[in-house]
This record gives sequence, C-alpha cells and structure tokens, in this order.
Amino acid sequence: KQEVTQIPAALSVPEGENLVLNCSFTDSAIYNLQWFRQDPGKGLTSLLLIQSSQREQTSGRLNASLDKSSGRSTLYIAASQPGDSATYLCAVRGRPGAGSYQLTFGKGTKLSVIP
Amino acid sequence: NAGVTQTPKFQVLKTGQSMTLQCAQDMNHNSMYWYRQDPGMGLRLIYYSASEGTTDKGEVPNGYNVSRLNKREFSLRLESAAPSQTSVYFCASTGWVGELFFGEGSRLTVL
Repeated sequence: KQEVTQIPAALSVPEGENLVLNCSFTDSAIYNLQWFRQDPGKGLTSLLLIQSSQREQTSGRLNASLDKSSGRSTLYIAASQPGDSATYLCAVRGRPGAGSYQLTFGKGTKLSVIP
Repeated sequence: NAGVTQTPKFQVLKTGQSMTLQCAQDMNHNSMYWYRQDPGMGLRLIYYSASEGTTDKGEVPNGYNVSRLNKREFSLRLESAAPSQTSVYFCASTGWVGELFFGEGSRLTVL
C-alpha cells in the first residue's frame, strides 16, 4: 500500500526566504504526483502536476521536482511572501490498473511566512 | 470558470437524518470523487466514479451511497447520519491528464 509522508508538519520562515517542502512515497510505481495548496476553510487548489516521465515542473515562483527512484518530491518556493502561508499537500496516483484511481495524500506541511 | 461546484456549503443534521451532497463539474471530466477531510486523518476517499455509469468504493465507504447522475454530476448520500460523519466533504474530478480539481467543500455537522 502506498504511503505518502510530508515532513515537517509545520514550518515557519521569514518573508523573502527560499524554502523547500518535502514529500516522500513508498512505492515508486506512480502515474503522477500533484502538489496542492489549501487555505484555512477552503478547498484544495492544484499547484503543479508532474507526470511519471517528468523530472520537474515550474509555475512562477514554484518549482516541483520528482525522483521516482528515491521516492521523493520537493516543492521549492522562491522569495516567499506572507500570501504563501497555507497548508501544502502532495498526492500520488498509482499506475493504470487496480487502485489507480485512488490517490494517496500526505497530511501536509503548514507553512507560515512571517512579514 | 466554475470548475467543481458543491452544495450545500454548510449543513447541520441530527443523528438519523438523511441528506444528499451535490457536486457538478463543467470541465467534461470522466472521473469524479468524494473525499472527507478530518483533523489528523488527512483526506480519505469515500467513493469514486471512473466514468459515467460506474461507481466504486474507496477507503471509507460505510454509511454512504453515491449516484453518478450523468457525466457532470456526482452526488453523495448519507442515509442515516451519525456524529462520526461530522467532517468536511470534498468533491473532485479529473480528466485524461490526471490532474485533480477540487470543489470548495461542504462542512457537515451531525449532532
């Protein structure tokens, strides 16, 4: 059974700092990996989707990398801003076949960017 | 752009009452999902529908039923609500690329 871990559970950084959020998974046979942002009381917003054949994706100040062999993904946030404060979750989808429609979510990293 | 729309956003029920959560997506996605999110438990899949006309159980299906009414709509029904079903419920959908899009959530309290 796939397990997804995000460490640390919470992170506090000063504004302007570059930071890295980590996501690890136990089964490297994945279809894709997706990073989400969740603001308090809100739904999940998709940030980046990395297919299994890709090594990274970029959107603005965000860069996500994928290393299937080591079972790891990182989300890099450049020049952090107070508006980046939210909980960040990663989710892994298995390859087509049994259970492939079920994503496995990490429990998230709660990021606070201090002005 | 509406994306995934859920109704109602808030609901309070008494134990034993029934209700249906509605979900609709306008992205022409084949697959739709219902999740619940609880503190310390993360997101857990209740049911999913890989395509119109099919539904399958997820990780925590007990106490729930679903209907894939058409390609756009996927509803979740609680036949006899229990306090353990107090949660935030999210509907989501994916297209062929596999990117998951979520609704804003429905906050349910069962007294």
